[in-house]
Amino acid sequence: NAGVTQTPKFRILKIGQSMTLQCTQDMNHNYMYWYRQDPGMGLKLIYYSVGAGITDKGEVPNGYNVSRSTTEDFPLRLELAAPSQTSVYFCASRFLKGGVNQPQHFGDGTRLSIL
Amino acid sequence: DAKTTQPTSMDCAEGRAANLPCNHSTISGNEYVYWYRQIHSQGPQYIIHGLKNNETNEMASLIITEDRKSSTLILPHATLRDTAVYYCIVREVGFGNEKLTFGTGTRLTIIP
Repeated sequence: NAGVTQTPKFRILKIGQSMTLQCTQDMNHNYMYWYRQDPGMGLKLIYYSVGAGITDKGEVPNGYNVSRSTTEDFPLRLELAAPSQTSVYFCASRFLKGGVNQPQHFGDGTRLSIL
Repeated sequence: DAKTTQPTSMDCAEGRAANLPCNHSTISGNEYVYWYRQIHSQGPQYIIHGLKNNETNEMASLIITEDRKSSTLILPHATLRDTAVYYCIVREVGFGNEKLTFGTGTRLTIIP
């Protein structure tokens, strides 16, 4: 049982390039999330999804896009990379069971630098 | 979501109980207290959560005061692998409220 798997672990992009951060979970979780964490700061929610075909914006969605075509996968797309998007990106998921207080499970992150 | 206040850093001797406080004086009746930790360069790890009763699992215990305005996370026998940043999060559970507000947390260092 791998949990939440993120790829790649590290990436350097040039300004204006695009890329997709991959996230997959094998726990059959309904909810999936993308966060970013800047140095010395807490996590900020970018986008989330409550199930396949349904996504919604978090706190800091500008500059990012997501899709959720399957339960397992929730990729995050950067279309025009900017230095302000240099950060560590975490994907998380949780199960909807008997209510909404189930904890989130996180991947190990993608460290992205935009130069 | 209610704001939380935690000490910036704490030290604890290996083998001792680590007690991490959290103040959430503006918590409302339907907000849960969650604890996560983040070991260097890893993703956050869920520890425990509770509403008003004390909770215990294989990792830790959570003590919530009767007025719910503060709580304490207890790691009963701290090991070097417990060195991490610990986040106390207060969150109203409900559909449409999916944000976990991570503050700056408490940096716990376990001393050999």
